[in-house]
Amino acid sequence: DTEVTQTPKHLVMGMTNKKSLKCEQHMGHRAMYWYKQKAKKPPELMFVYSYEKLSINESVPSRFSPECPNSSLLNLHLHALQPEDSALYLCASSQDPGLTDTQYFGPGTRLTVL
Amino acid sequence: AQSVAQPEDQVNVAEGNPLTVKCTYSVSGNPYLFWYVQYPNRGLQFLLKYITGDNLVKGSYGFEAEFNKSQTSFHLKKPSALVSDSALYFCAVRGGSGAGSYQLTFGKGTKLSVIP
Repeated sequence: DTEVTQTPKHLVMGMTNKKSLKCEQHMGHRAMYWYKQKAKKPPELMFVYSYEKLSINESVPSRFSPECPNSSLLNLHLHALQPEDSALYLCASSQDPGLTDTQYFGPGTRLTVL
Repeated sequence: AQSVAQPEDQVNVAEGNPLTVKCTYSVSGNPYLFWYVQYPNRGLQFLLKYITGDNLVKGSYGFEAEFNKSQTSFHLKKPSALVSDSALYFCAVRGGSGAGSYQLTFGKGTKLSVIP
């Protein structure tokens, strides 16, 4: 089973709202990722968690705050977003964060910021 | 730094015909190459990867890809296209050395349309 689940599927929020995206995997993977994907563009890496520790932050604005409560869960807390942050947010996981490990993606959360 | 080029924004092929989606890469060390497919409003699905060994890699749904080191290419192929193969295809690479080697670098994507 290579399933990564994400909730919610869709999210509409105002610029003053606080919301969270949730990602879950039960494959025993020790690396988890957040990506942002704009329409008809490739995914862009935001954060990498390796063994529940934040290992990579690709200079993402502080209005995005990741959290890894345990090895199966990954959250992305959102606050004071801008309309240009509207995108598909993808979560992925891999067995390890190594170069050869396959990343498995969830279905994504479609975020609209009004 | 590593990079991936998918030279075709769109590929059209008739159902039942063979299909090829092109990908070339640039990386300083050993390349680790991946293909993903994305259906509308969905996440990316892993198709196949090349790590080492046999240059012809077989993957999901009848897809295969051929690694060519001299041409730095990793083209995706399928002998007989299905209408359900219509989707957006991404090639990706990891490898090299330095701070950016961990990153899965994607090409811009190729939209495949299979015409009935």
